[in-house]
Amino acid sequence: DQQVKQNSPSLSVQEGRISILNCDYTNSMFDYFLWYKKYPAEGPTFLISISSIKDKNEDGRFTVFLNKSAKHLSLHIVPSQPGDSAVYFCAARRAGNMLTFGGGTRLMVKP
Amino acid sequence: DVKVTQSSRYLVKRTGEKVFLECVQDMDHENMFWYRQDPGLGLRLIYFSYDVKMKEKGDIPEGYSVSREKKERFSLILESASTNQTSMYLCASRVQGRAFFGQGTRLTVV
Repeated sequence: DQQVKQNSPSLSVQEGRISILNCDYTNSMFDYFLWYKKYPAEGPTFLISISSIKDKNEDGRFTVFLNKSAKHLSLHIVPSQPGDSAVYFCAARRAGNMLTFGGGTRLMVKP
Repeated sequence: DVKVTQSSRYLVKRTGEKVFLECVQDMDHENMFWYRQDPGLGLRLIYFSYDVKMKEKGDIPEGYSVSREKKERFSLILESASTNQTSMYLCASRVQGRAFFGQGTRLTVV
């Protein structure tokens, strides 16, 4: 039972345009959400996070939106750059301070 | 910067071998984790540890064990490697909400 789902395994976007990566969750007890970025042959690196008491958090080109009623979060990257091409994982924090990860979305930004 | 180091980037082992994956962190974090990453399944938690000598099962502990004799080192052990344990293994240490990952070990069991 996947409690955190990323329904799009891949996404292709033109350089300069907006990338929108989506994530859905089922557990209403999740209280903190994170996005990680992973390049091939490297470990994931933290990108941005949001507490469940907020609905938006912004950091430079990256913005995360949280819709608690829909149990949905999204990551917006504007403008997208070729260096953003990577696999993006969303993660949610559950009881016991554990993180549950989604399946990942591969973003390809074309020059 | 937090540094999490995994001892091997690539490993090839035979079925039935005992395999040790080592992970060291340099930030005195109490919490350490082992995940495996498989296509479409994301990162799944195998084991975690809150402190020295403490260990807890994650979501998929079967076929694995762990050792935490020192705070900075967390080892994942495959008692008898099987082909379905071929995967990317990621170690992480964590403070508050954020996890810091090692570079990963790509294990192939033949």
